[in-house]
Amino acid sequence: EAGVTQSPTHLIKTRGQQATLRCSPISGHTSVYWYQQALGLGLQFLLWYDEGEERNRGNFPPRFSGRQFPNYSSELNVNALELEDSALYLCASSSRNRATNEKLFFGSGTQLSVL
Amino acid sequence: GDSVTQMEGPVTLSEEAFLTINCTYTATGYPSLFWYVQYPGEGLQLLLKATKADDKGSNKGFEATYRKETTSFHLEKGSVQVSDSAVYFCALSDDKIIFGKGTRLHILP
Repeated sequence: EAGVTQSPTHLIKTRGQQATLRCSPISGHTSVYWYQQALGLGLQFLLWYDEGEERNRGNFPPRFSGRQFPNYSSELNVNALELEDSALYLCASSSRNRATNEKLFFGSGTQLSVL
Repeated sequence: GDSVTQMEGPVTLSEEAFLTINCTYTATGYPSLFWYVQYPGEGLQLLLKATKADDKGSNKGFEATYRKETTSFHLEKGSVQVSDSAVYFCALSDDKIIFGKGTRLHILP
């Protein structure tokens, strides 16, 4: 069974551009979470989608947005890229629509570099 | 808002030493608590969890007890191995799942 898959693996953009990151959850999982992992800052919670709806978002500006499709895959969009957006973006999925008690399965991430 | 604080790394120990990685949390509700581990070259994976006060999570010789009175979930292992070298993340699950900054552990043979 395939795990959580993310694409692309690496993405290089320049300031002001837009980036689109994609995530496919494990088959049967309905929840998708996005995290930003910047050096020294650990995992910062970005967004949580379940059953196609945004359930919660972290303390990030509105230029970070996303969506979840009917097949439960998800996109993260980052508009007006800034240098400090350079980070590893991790996607995780889980099989229940509540965060409590449930195990997250992580993808390998998309390394975004903003030049 | 909710937060997780864990000890700064890196932590360097000799093989067979006793390990403690401290983790404390703040939460408005009654969260579940987790430890995740990231081995070199691999993705994050769940190590153990506890869902209510006084629960003990355990896996691969690691243990952590949910202490509501001290809002802590410290990770312990009695005798570490070189293969335990990794980055360890404490996390809580309330209305979202949030993580600490991670603690890098080096075990010397």
